[in-house]
Amino acid sequence: DTGVSQNPRHKITKRGQNVTFRCDPISEHNRLYWYRQTLGQGPEFLTYFQNEAQLEKSRLLSDRFSAERPKGSFSTLEIQRTEQGDSAMYLCASSFRALGGYEQYFGPGTRLTVT
Amino acid sequence: EDQVTQSPEALRLQEGESSSLNCSYTVSGLRGLFWYRQDPGKGPEFLFTLYSAGEEKEKERLKATLTKKESFLHITAPKPEDSATYLCAVQGGSEKLVFGKGTKLTVNP
Repeated sequence: DTGVSQNPRHKITKRGQNVTFRCDPISEHNRLYWYRQTLGQGPEFLTYFQNEAQLEKSRLLSDRFSAERPKGSFSTLEIQRTEQGDSAMYLCASSFRALGGYEQYFGPGTRLTVT
Repeated sequence: EDQVTQSPEALRLQEGESSSLNCSYTVSGLRGLFWYRQDPGKGPEFLFTLYSAGEEKEKERLKATLTKKESFLHITAPKPEDSATYLCAVQGGSEKLVFGKGTKLTVNP
């Protein structure tokens, strides 16, 4: 399977704990995105990398959230001191800027439940 | 601020009953309008990109069209396997996609 992969698929944690999610984009895709989706809503943008550089961050991304893409390949999203409001599906997407092609391809998501 | 509004929120059809989903948008400098399909518990699956008013794209029973203010996803003779949430998104001046809340489609056999 050459699609976007995310791990873990599910994570249950207690309030106040730190969690880290991993995303492996489609091979050779130079752009990587993180979104968050809650029930009944569309995905909301969190942050975006071009290669290893983090170029855009949403105001939704509080100081407790940090994302990295150290070698321009996989990416990690860490949430520190989790709160119940962080419960959501965290989606990763990747794209490759080709001739007019801006499509973002999404992974299966990591569902986070904070108890 | 870029905005996307989708209607209806939910739609129930009988198998073979054609219909359309609406996506109204406001965006500064549209670079693309995207349609995705999302099944429960899964990530969005890319369907179409439309770049300019008047453009149309088709895939099996689905056809997407675009005007300067809205896009339609036409579903012809739907089957139960077309049941899903259909998401519309726009890309404006930045790389991010701005999504609507989606239309939940149920096709009964």
